[in-house]
Amino acid sequence: GQQLNQSPQSMFIQEGEDVSMNCTSSSIFNTWLWYKQDPGEGPVLLIALYKAGELTSNGRLTAQFGITRKDSFLNISASIPSDVGIYFCAGQGGGGADGLTFGKGTHLIIQP
Amino acid sequence: DTGVSQDPRHKITKRGQNVTFRCDPISEHNRLYWYRQTLGQGPEFLTYFQNEAQLEKSRLLSNRFSAERPKGSFSTLEIQRTEQGDSAMYLCASSLGQFGYTFGSGTRLTVV
Repeated sequence: GQQLNQSPQSMFIQEGEDVSMNCTSSSIFNTWLWYKQDPGEGPVLLIALYKAGELTSNGRLTAQFGITRKDSFLNISASIPSDVGIYFCAGQGGGGADGLTFGKGTHLIIQP
Repeated sequence: DTGVSQDPRHKITKRGQNVTFRCDPISEHNRLYWYRQTLGQGPEFLTYFQNEAQLEKSRLLSNRFSAERPKGSFSTLEIQRTEQGDSAMYLCASSLGQFGYTFGSGTRLTVV
């Protein structure tokens, strides 16, 4: 079955630093999504990507849908304390009719 | 529109009991999804409805699990004869086609 490899597993950074995380897949996806999840809550959608090569920004967040449709990255610029949490990538297959396949998450920890 | 609503937020049950969770999607969304998330993992897809039709089931959805969406609006997920391995966060999500994929806050199930 499809698997997503998300890296890094965790990141320890200083406030104000930029962050980069990525996901790769053994299969093609038609949609890539990036979510942030706080403890005890559901994932919150950060950025959705629907076309190969698409680069989309949401405030300090930027994500790209890889040309091969097998990878995506998320960048966070000038990190702040509220960026702490677990970030998940998720891919969706044909026609948007499939369930999402999630990565294992990147745990972002910000040191003051 | 208050987003995707799930009830209850927490449920503790004895092994062998039946439990039922409810999900109210975003009102104009035609697709509804159920996921399960265990500690340290990303959400795993269980099943998906388009309107009232259940179109896809994961192999994770054993025959003790049943989901319904009788009028194409809210959905219920029932687990019969619960086992300790069923302890997890159960997440519901909805979308309009492939867009606006939004999760609820989840129901945390603990089987004792």
